[in-house]
Amino acid sequence: ETGVTQSPTHLIKTRGQQVTLRCSSQSGHNTVSWYQQALGQGPQFIFQYYREEENGRGNFPPRFSGLQFPNYSSELNVNALELDDSALYLCASSLDGTSGGTGELFFGEGSRLTVL
Amino acid sequence: AQSVTQLGSHVSVSEGALVLLRCNYSSSVPPYLFWYVQYPNQGLQLLLKYTSAATLVKGINGFEAEFKKSETSFHLTKPSAHMRDAAEYFCAVSSNTGNQFYFGTGTSLTVIP
Repeated sequence: ETGVTQSPTHLIKTRGQQVTLRCSSQSGHNTVSWYQQALGQGPQFIFQYYREEENGRGNFPPRFSGLQFPNYSSELNVNALELDDSALYLCASSLDGTSGGTGELFFGEGSRLTVL
Repeated sequence: AQSVTQLGSHVSVSEGALVLLRCNYSSSVPPYLFWYVQYPNQGLQLLLKYTSAATLVKGINGFEAEFKKSETSFHLTKPSAHMRDAAEYFCAVSSNTGNQFYFGTGTSLTVIP
């Protein structure tokens, strides 16, 4: 069973640039969620994709966007980067949303973004 | 909206001592509650979850948590701490729609030899 994989693991960008982060979901999972974890904080929900459609969004501006592909892998895109976007971005996969809230999220190791 | 509060951002215990990490939830409906652990430079791993079955939930690595509705609490415990338990622990509650989790700010556990 292949777990959740994310790339790149680390990257450095400058203000105003754009970044794309990638995630491969665990085998058999059709749902991908993205979370932002700032230093010293808990993960904050960005959005979820279920069968290639956005299935809920947290309190993040439109410059945070995403995609889910037919193989259920996903991308997170952030435009016009700001210093406060520096964080660990976590991807989590699950089956059928989160099965009404009872299902487990399986997390990748994250992509650490630094914005200078 | 649901939320969780973790009391104590840092907890230190001696090896072999009881571990108690506190979590209180705020929810207008019966919640689904979770504890996750994060080791350095790793993603989050599920320790245990409460989904309205037994109120005492047993998880991996000897951890357990008890759901107490009267206290709106879901504290995490382990009878005897081990050095490998040193990590960041997050309490979380799922949304009513089930499509997002709300995480607490985390508790960093240090185990002293």
